[in-house]
Amino acid sequence: SQQGEEDPQALSIQEGENATMNCSYKTSINNLQWYRQNSGRGLVHLILIRSNEREKHSGRLRVTLDTSKKSSSLLITASRAADTASYFCATVGNQGGKLIFGQGTELSVKP
Amino acid sequence: EAGVAQSPRYKIIEKRQSVAFWCNPISGHATLYWYQQILGQGPKLLIQFQNNGVVDDSQLPKDRFSAERLKGVDSTLKIQPAKLEDSAVYLCASSPTGPKPTDTQYFGPGTRLTVL
Repeated sequence: SQQGEEDPQALSIQEGENATMNCSYKTSINNLQWYRQNSGRGLVHLILIRSNEREKHSGRLRVTLDTSKKSSSLLITASRAADTASYFCATVGNQGGKLIFGQGTELSVKP
Repeated sequence: EAGVAQSPRYKIIEKRQSVAFWCNPISGHATLYWYQQILGQGPKLLIQFQNNGVVDDSQLPKDRFSAERLKGVDSTLKIQPAKLEDSAVYLCASSPTGPKPTDTQYFGPGTRLTVL
């Protein structure tokens, strides 16, 4: 079963703009991860944020986590056409490494 | 370092036929996962192996799906007989140790199955 929802389902922006995607989940977590999937390809791990962290950065990516609201957001700054892909959040519980994915946000960055 | 390999990349079959997918994880990775991704949805875990033992197969439809990981390396996922709703991309992933909550999973390119 899916853990939660992502919002928006689709996002279209111009190159250079920032893109923000949101993820909500239902149960307690050990960590939350974000993945990127290019059309017809496998998923690529972007960033992991633990339940005791509130914000994390990696290059042009910024992830926030609010465990009281059971939500996370992914911000991509200064977007590029190459960022065009689907982005998924996935939660992990305290036992094992099972990823439970959201529905994904389809990002289109126009040159 | 070579990534996770999967074959075939595409498969088209008719309903009630059988199909098998193969996965070769990254060398030395202990944990292997099979996910099903239906169009427009996020991946859903089907089965998780640690070495050659099953850790979690709670979402595997065992009446038609089976999977094995012989010798703790390669894995095969089989569907017999296939139904129309099995049309999806089947993703294999591996992680170095675990299964631990903070393990990074490395995904293969997937096998796109179409059932007619």
